[in-house]
Amino acid sequence: EVQLVESGGGLVQPGGSLRLSCTVSGLTVSNNYLNWVRQAPGKGLEWVSIIYSDGTTYYADSVKGRFTISRDNSRNTVYLQMNSLRGEDTAVYYCAREYVTGPYGGGFDSWGQGTLVTVSS
Amino acid sequence: DIQVTQSPSSLSASVGDRVTVSCQASQDINNYLNWYQQKPGQAPKLIIYDASNLEPGVPSRFSGSGSGTEFTFTINSLQPEDFATYYCQQYGDLPYSFGQGTKLEIK
Repeated sequence: EVQLVESGGGLVQPGGSLRLSCTVSGLTVSNNYLNWVRQAPGKGLEWVSIIYSDGTTYYADSVKGRFTISRDNSRNTVYLQMNSLRGEDTAVYYCAREYVTGPYGGGFDSWGQGTLVTVSS
Repeated sequence: DIQVTQSPSSLSASVGDRVTVSCQASQDINNYLNWYQQKPGQAPKLIIYDASNLEPGVPSRFSGSGSGTEFTFTINSLQPEDFATYYCQQYGDLPYSFGQGTKLEIK
């Protein structure tokens, strides 16, 4: 059974930093596409970042230059380092495995339960 | 960037009804579109992938169709557990993008 468990959320002041973790079991992170998706309170889903199996990364414009996705293969964990946080970054952050069905990717078939990040003074 | 416009934003229906949600992409994305269901306090759940493929374990009353820029998601014979918010999502190009969501409510 595939399980993704996020951790690391909490309350942080504007301009601060936080590192989220997504610990995965049932699959190997280095062989998969892993994404971060966020959801502001009462709002829709927003894609944030991806790390491909080859280690390539990509970001939404809203977080580019502030957030960094990475992984630790020995811990089977994906991270999201978030710097220069703003109020609009307040959201539940989900990690999700993308099951590849074509040349560009596929559906997000496994999700964690999410971790809440609140940016406020 | 590819924009995904989903409609309607909300929908009121009764158990047993058939409902349809639409998604329009701002450029051709072939069939690189997925549909998710989200219930309050829960993570999204993949329902349809690649526009028309039913995720294993999902009831057959759910279906999807379309290609290019126009996509449709249908639920036949609504069940009480289907009342939730539904999102489309394109992966034809980065950055990925989601539709605004459709909240399906009980009439």
